[in-house]
Amino acid sequence: DAGITQSPRHKVTETGTPVTLRCHQTENHRYMYWYRQDPGHGLRLIHYSYGVKDTDKGEVSDGYSVSRSKTEDFLLTLESATSSQTSVYFCAISVLGYEQFFGPGTRLTVL
Amino acid sequence: EDQVTQSPEALRLQEGESSSLNCSYTVSGLRGLFWYRQDPGKGPEFLFTLYSAGEEKEKERLKATLTKKESFLHITAPKPEDSATYLCAVQADRGGSNYKLTFGKGTLLTVNP
Repeated sequence: DAGITQSPRHKVTETGTPVTLRCHQTENHRYMYWYRQDPGHGLRLIHYSYGVKDTDKGEVSDGYSVSRSKTEDFLLTLESATSSQTSVYFCAISVLGYEQFFGPGTRLTVL
Repeated sequence: EDQVTQSPEALRLQEGESSSLNCSYTVSGLRGLFWYRQDPGKGPEFLFTLYSAGEEKEKERLKATLTKKESFLHITAPKPEDSATYLCAVQADRGGSNYKLTFGKGTLLTVNP
């Protein structure tokens, strides 16, 4: 157990509404990541963080923003959710930037 | 651009029937190659990290190997509880703090009793 929790675990929302997903770690590791997983695409990186207030874009960042004001929390925000953002979202942490350890995931449905 | 291709997409084995999963990769400067196991409805579970060609790692019935172009995950005498999707990922050495992983689409392994 890597000490990662994600909330909520399931969410259904409507197109155009804002959504925030939370990733919380208990280990105070430096690196944190947000991925989405879709059939036929595998896991794709949305955003990542290498320290408090230090974040950068991944390969599918359009429509998403992130914030990290504390070491233990990494928030992913969909400013205006679209149906194409229906997916399973995983948070991951890393100690030294090598292997990553994943959370249990959040299943998001945008109607 | 980093690329990872896993084959086969799906593999069905009988209990005790050994086999291998393949992960072919293209990356400029390999920092690490990673294997994960993912059960339905759960997050990926870390299995192995391989850093350089010729390296091997083992865990129970699983052994991972690495060459300059591909990695294999060998499964010896599998059991039904080994059924899962196995993911391969690579990490490039580009300096800075961009330690992102590029994942393959996975191999769905089913082991029948």
